[in-house]
Amino acid sequence: EPEVTQTPSHQVTQMGQEVILRCVPISNHLYFYWYRQILGQKVEFLVSFYNNEISEKSEIFDDQFSVERPDGSNFTLKIRSTKLEDSAMYFCASSEVPGQAPNQPQHFGDGTRLSIL
Amino acid sequence: AQKVTQAQTEISVVEKEDVTLDCVYETRDTTYYLFWYKQPPSGELVFLIRRNSFDEQNEISGRYSWNFQKSTSSFNFTITASQVVDSAVYFCALAGNNRKLIWGLGTSLAVNP
Repeated sequence: EPEVTQTPSHQVTQMGQEVILRCVPISNHLYFYWYRQILGQKVEFLVSFYNNEISEKSEIFDDQFSVERPDGSNFTLKIRSTKLEDSAMYFCASSEVPGQAPNQPQHFGDGTRLSIL
Repeated sequence: AQKVTQAQTEISVVEKEDVTLDCVYETRDTTYYLFWYKQPPSGELVFLIRRNSFDEQNEISGRYSWNFQKSTSSFNFTITASQVVDSAVYFCALAGNNRKLIWGLGTSLAVNP
């Protein structure tokens, strides 16, 4: 079964450094998402992306964050100057055919655990 | 505003017991979608089920069943004859006309042998 893959599985970065989290969505999916989950807390929506632009973003997704689809397969999340509170598990997800109602399930990668020191 | 409430923070059962995980949601959208995801100790998020707001039919999949009741804004999840492998955090989530998932806090289920 096709999967969403995320790399790296664990990233340790010094505060203030830039970090790029990478995702390869399922190949026929056209809608992409990033979520984060601070340890022990609920999953929070960050951003959705379709047709090479951001569809929606949350208040968490401030100017320090950016997303990009640099080629036909990768979908990246960049955090420009990391803060301690950015430490979390970051999940990438993708879903099919955006013309359908949003009942198409979002399929998630295994996540990248980001630790900011 | 949209909101998902999973009032049960932690549940502990003995293997083979049935267990029901509660989910109550709030939304002003007339069309919306409900989901359950499982997060095992390994951390990944596994899609279990989606349900459209216009389809109140309950669903059974093996030992799993879901009871959707619009009248009480609930979408409860029952595991029959629980197994140790069912131990995980279970999240209920809601999507309205946009596509972002609004998540509950999750219910941590421990199934003990």
